[in-house]
Amino acid sequence: QVHLVQSGAEVKKPGSSVKVSCKISGDTFSSYGATWVRQAPGQGLEWMGGILPIFRTTKYAQNFQDRLTIITDESTNTAYMDLSSLRSDDTAVYYCATTNLNGLLTFWGQGTLVTVSS
Amino acid sequence: EIVLTQSPGTLSLFPGERVTLSCRASQSTRSLAWFQQRRGQPPRLLIYGASSRATGIPDRFSGSGSGTDFTLTISRLEPEDVAVYYCQHYGSSPIFGQGTKLQIK
Repeated sequence: QVHLVQSGAEVKKPGSSVKVSCKISGDTFSSYGATWVRQAPGQGLEWMGGILPIFRTTKYAQNFQDRLTIITDESTNTAYMDLSSLRSDDTAVYYCATTNLNGLLTFWGQGTLVTVSS
Repeated sequence: EIVLTQSPGTLSLFPGERVTLSCRASQSTRSLAWFQQRRGQPPRLLIYGASSRATGIPDRFSGSGSGTDFTLTISRLEPEDVAVYYCQHYGSSPIFGQGTKLQIK
């Protein structure tokens, strides 16, 4: 069974960066892609970007093009999401999810709360 | 870019009732999934390809539809089904609907 464990909650200042990790067990990120989705307090789900396994390329939502980096480290079975130039409206729970060859989000991490506050 | 519109926004029913949730896409898609998100939990995949149940999902959950109109049906509502339900177009440019909140009377 695939299991994803994310790093702990973060509190950041506006203008800084945050890096959230997501470790997979039960399989590897070479089998799946890694996708990141966020959810602001009381709001819906927002796809941020991901590594598409069939293309082995990374795609980002237009809203995050200039400040989001997603990578996977296959030596440690860990995916990372790095978001820079943080603003207060980046306060959200950030989820990682595995992505199959069709782009379907199959397994999810527990979520990481990132709070951006001065 | 596809836009997904879910209805209703909120639904409140009695245990045992049949639940019907709607998702309408602005363009035709075959890559339509449904997720359940209970309070304080990550989303859980219920349905993919519009009508295929994910592993471990009870058979009271079913998906139907094609093209631009899709439906998630819960045949008999149970208390643990209280959640927000999201439809999603997946593939190279994923997008979520805004969600339907399901409550129990």
